[in-house]
Amino acid sequence: NAGVTQTPKFQVLKTGQSMTLQCAQDMNHNSMYWYRQDPGMGLRLIYYSASEGTTDKGEVPNGYNVSRLNKREFSLRLESAAPSQTSVYFCATQIERASYNEQFFGPGTRLTVL
Amino acid sequence: AQSVTQLDSQVPVFEEAPVELRCNYSSSVSVYLFWYVQYPNQGLQLLLKYLSGSTLVKGINGFEAEFNKSQTSFHLRKPSVHISDTAEYFCAVSGGRRGNKLTFGTGTQLKVEL
Repeated sequence: NAGVTQTPKFQVLKTGQSMTLQCAQDMNHNSMYWYRQDPGMGLRLIYYSASEGTTDKGEVPNGYNVSRLNKREFSLRLESAAPSQTSVYFCATQIERASYNEQFFGPGTRLTVL
Repeated sequence: AQSVTQLDSQVPVFEEAPVELRCNYSSSVSVYLFWYVQYPNQGLQLLLKYLSGSTLVKGINGFEAEFNKSQTSFHLRKPSVHISDTAEYFCAVSGGRRGNKLTFGTGTQLKVEL
């Protein structure tokens, strides 16, 4: 059981370049999330997907797009990277039971935009 | 709407001393509460959670937290810290219904010194 995996682990981009961050899970969870983590700001939700085929904006969606390819995979795309998008990006899945919710996180992608 | 406040951005403490990391939340509905830990260069992992029942919740690595509904708090404690507890700690709240998203605090950096 790999849990939640993310690729790549590290990436350096130049301003204006594009890239896609990949996330995959083998936990059979319906909900998936993309967060960015910046010093002093905690985790901020970029986009989420409550189920296959649906996506919704979170707190900071500008400059990003997402695709929920299937139940397992949820990708985050930067069409034209900007230095303000330098951050650590985390993908998470959420278990949803009648009694509680809990999120499980991937190891993160460290992105630097020059 | 729900929110989480972690008042202390950094908490330095000597090894074997007790520690308390503070978390206050606001929500108009019943809640689930979580503490996550992030070790350097890693993703987040669940430390403990409050869903219902006993207000004192025990987690991994000797940590515990107490849910106080009247004070809307969920402070994290450990009676004797170790160097290996150096990490960032995030408090999170979710509405008490299936499918509700988690809202994270801005994190508290715990630094344990010799």
